[in-house]
Amino acid sequence: DIQMTQSPSSLSASVGDRVTITCRATQTITYYLNWYQHKPGKAPNLLIYGASTLQSGVPSRFSGSGYGTEFTLTISSLQPEDFATYYCQQTYISPRTFGQGTTVDIK
Amino acid sequence: EVKLVESGGGLVQPGGSLRLSCAASGFTVSSKYMTWVRQAPGRGLEWVSVIYSGGAIYYADSVKGRFTISRDDSQNMLYLQMNNLRAEDTALYYCAIEEVGATFRMDVWGQGTTVIVSS
Repeated sequence: DIQMTQSPSSLSASVGDRVTITCRATQTITYYLNWYQHKPGKAPNLLIYGASTLQSGVPSRFSGSGYGTEFTLTISSLQPEDFATYYCQQTYISPRTFGQGTTVDIK
Repeated sequence: EVKLVESGGGLVQPGGSLRLSCAASGFTVSSKYMTWVRQAPGRGLEWVSVIYSGGAIYYADSVKGRFTISRDDSQNMLYLQMNNLRAEDTALYYCAIEEVGATFRMDVWGQGTTVIVSS
């Protein structure tokens, strides 16, 4: 199975900060990488798919990049509603796997 | 409107069984890749199982041999039969559509149903 590792596991940031989260796969997944935002009590929300394609309705401050085994999610200017946990997920093969998550909280 | 509604969660003893249901509306389950994802208390998201539109099925190693995913095309329902439940299966279980295109992604989720395995 492909293992996904995110870093950092958590970070503290302020409104307006630029935030970058990294995700690494144990083998190549080409561009089959998605990013989700998850808030307590809500269903996960797809942000980015295909490593860099912004899901419809997602603000443009979110962006994704990468190919192969290394990927990043960037929030260009953190907003109050962005404090949440973020997960990467590979859909290159089944079983699909998620990273362990990165929690973004208020500094 | 495309919608998913899970049900069937509850309290069950270790070793017991439970069947989760996911009612779909606004699309046909047989035309989509349908998945189950769970989140244990204080833990991250864990992918559990998928059934492809063509019928292929995959499971996470942690549930293989104990859980069975299925669908009822006539009722437009997705199911997860969970047997020999363990304390570590305690979680909020989501069903989701895995959209197929140039890549695969889960873009529609239900609100989840809670399973508690405890004596």
